[in-house]
Amino acid sequence: AQTVTQSQPEMSVQEAETVTLSCTYDTSESNYYLFWYKQPPSRQMILVIRQEAYKQQNATENRFSVNFQKAAKSFSLKISDSQLGDTAMYFCAADQGGSEKLVFGKGMKLTVNP
Amino acid sequence: DAGITQSPRHKVTETGTPVTLRCHQTENHRYMYWYRQDPGHGLRLIHYSYGVKDTDKGEVSDGYSVSRSKTEDFLLTLESATSSQTSVYFCAIRASGGYGVREQYFGPGTRLTVT
Repeated sequence: AQTVTQSQPEMSVQEAETVTLSCTYDTSESNYYLFWYKQPPSRQMILVIRQEAYKQQNATENRFSVNFQKAAKSFSLKISDSQLGDTAMYFCAADQGGSEKLVFGKGMKLTVNP
Repeated sequence: DAGITQSPRHKVTETGTPVTLRCHQTENHRYMYWYRQDPGHGLRLIHYSYGVKDTDKGEVSDGYSVSRSKTEDFLLTLESATSSQTSVYFCAIRASGGYGVREQYFGPGTRLTVT
């Protein structure tokens, strides 16, 4: 079964700094999709960014970008110019190739301090 | 927000009682999912549906059943609630849009407490 690992349970960063959240995954599929979700204290799950495995270019959404290393099965999220509103749990997720299901990591709590 | 609502948003119930959680979507998505979220476990899939009356189990399906009689509604039932089912439950849909669209969008969640 596919697994997704977020090894850092918690991080903190100062406002305006850059922070990188790590994620590794294990799959035997050749094509798959990877996602980062954000869950602020409101509890709502929000899609931050997605990456298609067959695309070499790293995805970017405003201050959020990924470093996708397919051979290493690594999918890290970089948040630039951190803001207080970035304080949240962050979950990495992967779909299982042709499956309809996502597998989630256990999450990482990010705190942005003023 | 993909037009997903969940009801109730909060519920406290006693051990042994049946509980049904409802997920409603307004955009005709084919795939719907039920997850539970517990500290240290992330989100774990309970059941999912790929069409009306078409459902399948996830990794933590024991003690749960689901039904989907209409495209827009996906019900999760705890036949006899136990304290281990105290959790936050999320419904999700998989976005429609053809090839390469795989992301899921989530409802606001239901906090269930079993005493």
